[in-house]
Amino acid sequence: QSVLTQPPSVSGTPGQNVTISCSGSTFIIGSNYVSWFQQFPGTAPKLLIYRNNQRLSGVPDRFSGSKSGTSASLAISGLRSEDEAEYHCAAWDDSLSGPVFGGGTKLAVL
Amino acid sequence: VQLQESGPGLVKPSETLSLTCSVSGGSIRTYYWSWIRQPPGKGLEWMGYVHYSGKSRNNPSLKSPVTISMDTSKNQFSLKLRSVTAADTAVYYCARIDYGDSVDSWGQGTLVTVSS
Repeated sequence: QSVLTQPPSVSGTPGQNVTISCSGSTFIIGSNYVSWFQQFPGTAPKLLIYRNNQRLSGVPDRFSGSKSGTSASLAISGLRSEDEAEYHCAAWDDSLSGPVFGGGTKLAVL
Repeated sequence: VQLQESGPGLVKPSETLSLTCSVSGGSIRTYYWSWIRQPPGKGLEWMGYVHYSGKSRNNPSLKSPVTISMDTSKNQFSLKLRSVTAADTAVYYCARIDYGDSVDSWGQGTLVTVSS
């Protein structure tokens, strides 16, 4: 069971907008930055968003992150077939002194 | 920075899993260096980190004893997971952590299977 909660899957058609949620506790998401990673099958996760809403250089502006209270979201606008991947959220856990992750959300582009 | 894991892909139950991460394009004397694993079909699990200062921290939820150490002369850090079971079968990633913030660089990952 992952510390952060994500939906197992979401889907959309090309051109649509989708949102992936990530929820946690006051002491984790509520107190620290949230990051988002994109992972294709058989490859390592890649950092997309850090500090809640900062895009890594080279990440298309179709990807955006936000946080409110104990929840965070990754929004993808103008969905493309190449966005089909698994997306993971993460945040620092002060009691653990380390990062915790969501279970991952598989995005299907139909 | 680039990270590359190396080590055996098959370990027998009750034995020790040993992996090394080679870091290039940056010094291991900055940042925190970590191991993260992903069992087949499951989510990511942080295992622990080590810092040049000697500071280290393991995830207390891990059932098998973990040691993470660093060799600054080789710009490498290592993972030892003792008394492994089938539940330790996973893809193991080495990673760089910006403490209190985010995991910002990952190795390509290496699959380790625990089986007799």
